[in-house]
Amino acid sequence: EAGVAQSPRYKIIEKRQSVAFWCNPISGHATLYWYQQILGQGPKLLIQFQNNGVVDDSQLPKDRFSAERLKGVDSTLKIQPAKLEDSAVYLCASSLQAGGLTVGTDTQYFGPGTRLTVL
Amino acid sequence: DQQVKQNSPSLSVQEGRISILNCDYTNSMFDYFLWYKKYPAEGPTFLISISSIKDKNEDGRFTVFLNKSAKHLSLHIVPSQPGDSAVYFCAASARKAGSYQLTFGKGTKLSVIP
Repeated sequence: EAGVAQSPRYKIIEKRQSVAFWCNPISGHATLYWYQQILGQGPKLLIQFQNNGVVDDSQLPKDRFSAERLKGVDSTLKIQPAKLEDSAVYLCASSLQAGGLTVGTDTQYFGPGTRLTVL
Repeated sequence: DQQVKQNSPSLSVQEGRISILNCDYTNSMFDYFLWYKKYPAEGPTFLISISSIKDKNEDGRFTVFLNKSAKHLSLHIVPSQPGDSAVYFCAASARKAGSYQLTFGKGTKLSVIP
């Protein structure tokens, strides 16, 4: 079974530029998550989709970050304009379903991440 | 406010010995606890979990213990192997917005010395 795919793997941009990340979840997974992992920290949830609807985006800095999940499959995360503090690894994860009765159905599978460096 | 804390940034253990990784939490609403393992340049991989109604869960060389009254959990790896060298994240799950969401600790880097 193919895992969560992300691209690009690495990106270097200047501050105030824009950047977009792409994620393809595991086939059949209804829920998709975007996390930000700053160096030395654990992953922090930015936004959660169930199918193509947003479940929670309370920690997404909406003045510069946006995300969409068209047709309930692939997702893109965009930053515009980027700041120095956005330098981090952006992780995408997916799970079979949300709100399941057992954590097994909600086990999150992570992609390899995109390492963003803002200069 | 850090709700999930891993106070040891790193841990070195001899091959064949026990590795013990610790995690503390503050939010009583957490109902599942998970450990993820992360190798460099890869995403975190689910390792083992425990429900808040249990105090122990075992899977091969990996055992997680939960002390709910102390809001503390630990991951034991016995025996430790060089391939276990990775960063281990403790995560706690709580229902929010109708689904489970994870809160991660900062991670502990485990080095198993051959």
